[in-house]
Amino acid sequence: AQSVAQPEDQVNVAEGNPLTVKCTYSVSGNPYLFWYVQYPNRGLQFLLKYITGDNLVKGSYGFEAEFNKSQTSFHLKKPSALVSDSALYFCAVRVNSGNTPLVFGKGTRLSVIA
Amino acid sequence: DGGITQSPKYLFRKEGQNVTLSCEQNLNHDAMYWYRQDPGQGLRLIYYSQIVNDFQKGDIAEGYSVSREKKESFPLTVTSAQKNPTAFYLCASSISRGGPNIQYFGAGTRLSVL
Repeated sequence: AQSVAQPEDQVNVAEGNPLTVKCTYSVSGNPYLFWYVQYPNRGLQFLLKYITGDNLVKGSYGFEAEFNKSQTSFHLKKPSALVSDSALYFCAVRVNSGNTPLVFGKGTRLSVIA
Repeated sequence: DGGITQSPKYLFRKEGQNVTLSCEQNLNHDAMYWYRQDPGQGLRLIYYSQIVNDFQKGDIAEGYSVSREKKESFPLTVTSAQKNPTAFYLCASSISRGGPNIQYFGAGTRLSVL
């Protein structure tokens, strides 16, 4: 079975400071990992994905994520937060064989304070 | 929200009534998905379909039904058997083959009970 944990319901950060949104996963096999962002009353927007290779993945809007196999983590990061980054962030996983749907974490609400 | 159209944006259901949520995509994607989003629970998979005329139950299929008669369309019916239908419903689609298939989402339908 696949699962994703986002241990923080809410993350608060000051504008201009670095941000981290945490994600850990569990799969039987090698994972494909994804981050999505959701603004109020909207669908999810794809940010970035990890397939294989370089553990640091760069995505949209200056976001990046670091894959750590030994810690089964895929934390989302940004060097300098913007107020406009305030949103709900979802981590998702699927095993890299077959074609199963993504399994999502419960989401982390990011609030960037000016 | 790309080429995935969900309608209506808001929907109200009366007691004992079935309602149908529409999802249409023009991305030529093979696979389509329905998720339910409740506050603090993330996204939970209701049904998915990898090809026309075939679909599989997700984690919370009870009280819901789907059809996939056309590649572009994957309507979801919320039946009277679903006792707690109030939620935000998200439709997604992806290319259906092995690999890091990105799921693209529609803007969602918010369903409430009168």
